[in-house]
Amino acid sequence: ETGVTQSPTHLIKTRGQQVTLRCSSQSGHNTVSWYQQALGQGPQFIFQYYREEENGRGNFPPRFSGLQFPNYSSELNVNALELDDSALYLCASSSEGGDEQYFGPGTRLTVT
Amino acid sequence: GESVGLHLPTLSVQEGDNSIINCAYSNSASDYFIWYKQESGKGPQFIIDIRSNMDKRQGQRVTVLLNKTVKHLSLQIAATQPGDSAVYFCAESDNYGQNFVFGPGTRLSVLP
Repeated sequence: ETGVTQSPTHLIKTRGQQVTLRCSSQSGHNTVSWYQQALGQGPQFIFQYYREEENGRGNFPPRFSGLQFPNYSSELNVNALELDDSALYLCASSSEGGDEQYFGPGTRLTVT
Repeated sequence: GESVGLHLPTLSVQEGDNSIINCAYSNSASDYFIWYKQESGKGPQFIIDIRSNMDKRQGQRVTVLLNKTVKHLSLQIAATQPGDSAVYFCAESDNYGQNFVFGPGTRLSVLP
């Protein structure tokens, strides 16, 4: 196990609703990245947080937003959910200056 | 945008044989590459990485080869075991480990 935890494990939401996913990074890691993984595809980079600031963003609309807290845990918020947002959401933590990312088990989001 | 792809979506090998998983990337500025293994219901697990100033790196039963001339990456698994059955992703970064771009994945099946 990597020491990265995510909650909840599974979530079902209705189109138009808002969702918050949570991630606790591995001890000593101050960088968290979020990815969206659609079924049968590779993870797609959403954004990265470093010391509570957004530090890079992929090709996702503004309704995908995030936060990182002083203890380096993180949240991913998605507003106005769409059916295509159904996916596995992964967070990965890394240490300062470290490239290797350690992934959590993911949150499976289903939008109906 | 830049993308990472795989030649073979599925690969079946006999237990004990060597496996070779291939990956093509298109961003000539990528300077860091990682191979991940993802088992069902789990997040990606780091296998091995390589920087663009190297062309080969070996780990325990795994070897990564990088050919920058043709923008090709491969993962070799020696003496493939049933526990190696999973989906394998290559990922690239051109920004010191930020904004990783993942390929679609190759499913490796190990036959008894």
